[in-house]
Amino acid sequence: GAVVSQHPSWVICKSGTSVKIECRSLDFQATTMFWYRQFPKQSLMLMATSNEGSKATYEQGVEKDKFLINHASLTLSTLTVTSAHPEDSSFYICSASDQPQHFGDGTRLSIL
Amino acid sequence: TQLLEQSPQFLSIQEGENLTVYCNSSSVFSSLQWYRQEPGEGPVLLVTVVTGGEVKKLKRLTFQFGDARKDSSLHITAAQPGDTGLYLCAGGGLGNDYKLSFGAGTTVTVRA
Repeated sequence: GAVVSQHPSWVICKSGTSVKIECRSLDFQATTMFWYRQFPKQSLMLMATSNEGSKATYEQGVEKDKFLINHASLTLSTLTVTSAHPEDSSFYICSASDQPQHFGDGTRLSIL
Repeated sequence: TQLLEQSPQFLSIQEGENLTVYCNSSSVFSSLQWYRQEPGEGPVLLVTVVTGGEVKKLKRLTFQFGDARKDSSLHITAAQPGDTGLYLCAGGGLGNDYKLSFGAGTTVTVRA
């Protein structure tokens, strides 16, 4: 149980485009989902808390207009990286809270 | 923000040896999770500890939560190459303390 699916697993796109990443809880409902960013050989850095039916809560230093989060249902949250640039290249991971948190397999984003 | 210090940062051992990873904080946590992450994948939950002094065993892995709930350790007996990965401790994640605070991670390499 407690499976979290993240899609896509890998995306390469040109600078200036927007990229949407989906996070789904497959066998449970998640009022709260989380989005993390991870650089190579480093730990996870929380970007924002996604709340179903309300606005996301962003961590300090994370641009909310750059990283748009939508949590329209109890099983789906999306993260859209708008006008992506090479510095946005990273490994993005979502989690859904079934207390404890269960993580998706991550999305490797490469901006050329 | 509650901070978790994890040590060592890197650990390389020979198959069959034992290892211990430490996770320390100046703050009290209601719960603490240990995750293992392999390259290109999301973290996988290994254990949750909630009670001070608690010891949990998962095959060759032994997890201990400090009496004051400020520190934890992960001990692996007779390590195998399959134990290679990034080990992350994270405080919180349950109840009202639902956000996770991650340690910096310990990269464990077990050589055959």
